[in-house]
Amino acid sequence: GAGVSQSPSNKVTEKGKDVELRCDPISGHTALYWYRQSLGQGLEFLIYFQGNSAPDKSGLPSDRFSAERTGGSVSTLTIQRTQQEDSAVYLCAIERGGLVGYLFFGPGTRLTVL
Amino acid sequence: DQQVKQNSPSLSVQEGRISILNCDYTNSMFDYFLWYKKYPAEGPTFLISISSIKDKNEDGRFTVFLNKSAKHLSLHIVPSQPGDSAVYFCAATRLASGTYKYIFGTGTRLKVLA
Repeated sequence: GAGVSQSPSNKVTEKGKDVELRCDPISGHTALYWYRQSLGQGLEFLIYFQGNSAPDKSGLPSDRFSAERTGGSVSTLTIQRTQQEDSAVYLCAIERGGLVGYLFFGPGTRLTVL
Repeated sequence: DQQVKQNSPSLSVQEGRISILNCDYTNSMFDYFLWYKKYPAEGPTFLISISSIKDKNEDGRFTVFLNKSAKHLSLHIVPSQPGDSAVYFCAATRLASGTYKYIFGTGTRLKVLA
């Protein structure tokens, strides 16, 4: 929605496998965020990218999680050696230029770790 | 440490009546607050926001009130409509820091009964 697409929409994986989640934002955004929503939980901040600044990784739950943004656009969230507690909906959001304070979220990727 | 709290996980309201959703925060440095609405299988969408220099912001049926001394904000929806049934998240950030990191609450599920 609002210029943010995510793929895949659903991902089922086995414990211990690595997964990559992709976010394709509309061009011209000023910042890109990753959040996750676990069952019964709120939106948990993971990481955000703004311009050429170093990303704020303070929300990443462990070193199994990493993210990158290539060319200032597409972002990939990688989870290595997935665990069952990683099961959640992973949401990508952007902040558009000139619209400070407004996050536009993608539809999310539902990750299920068996 | 949950800096933004929504203590009511769910709320049911009759159509046409007022819905009041509450949110508390602990960090006095927050200076900007937002409400998002989320339907199942969709990303959250922005609803309304308020700066800490104000105590009220109104947009149609939606009004947000901010009580800085109590570190409390509320969202009023009047009149409530069945289409308002969704999960509502409040969020806070500190724009003055320039980092634009948004902290979300755990959400309140609103059900508007026809």
